[in-house]
Amino acid sequence: GDSVTQMEGPVTLSEEAFLTINCTYTATGYPSLFWYVQYPGEGLQLLLKATKADDKGSNKGFEATYRKETTSFHLEKGSVQVSDSAVYFCALLNNAGNMLTFGGGTRLMVKP
Amino acid sequence: DTEVTQTPKHLVMGMTNKKSLKCEQHMGHRAMYWYKQKAKKPPELMFVYSYEKLSINESVPSRFSPECPNSSLLNLHLHALQPEDSALYLCASSQSKGLEQYFGPGTRLTVT
Repeated sequence: GDSVTQMEGPVTLSEEAFLTINCTYTATGYPSLFWYVQYPGEGLQLLLKATKADDKGSNKGFEATYRKETTSFHLEKGSVQVSDSAVYFCALLNNAGNMLTFGGGTRLMVKP
Repeated sequence: DTEVTQTPKHLVMGMTNKKSLKCEQHMGHRAMYWYKQKAKKPPELMFVYSYEKLSINESVPSRFSPECPNSSLLNLHLHALQPEDSALYLCASSQSKGLEQYFGPGTRLTVT
């Protein structure tokens, strides 16, 4: 079945540092890929998406590129802020379009 | 507007109680979802409604009973829950199957 693997956290960075959170997936066909962010005590917010190979999703300074050859969708940001502290989930949507499979989540802590 | 609302925000119930969770969206989305999220874990899919019909039930115990009265509203009726059912219950919606899902803030349920 489909699966998503994320790097385990927590990831602790200083403000303005470069962020990478690794995400790899296993799926049949051509799934759509997403990054969601969850702030403490809140629901999930869609951060960015990519629907086909080589697509780059971007939002709020975050970027991720759909790499089919390496089955990866790594999240990057050039300069993190304290307000970026949250849990980040990588997810894929199956070919039937009705089921999101999530990675385990990566907690990011940004210190001033 | 990509808002999904959920009520109540918090709910404490005994094992013999009957309660309901409510989810609402006014984005014209035709697919709606219930997820369960335990602490420090990713969301787990419970139910999928597509065009107001139940299309997926992920082997959820019958003490959870979903209902979709109309295209904007999704309920989750709870009865005879167990303490291990305590979790954050998230509702999501998407324009249709195959497109990105937008999540509500969740209902934090505690079963005593």
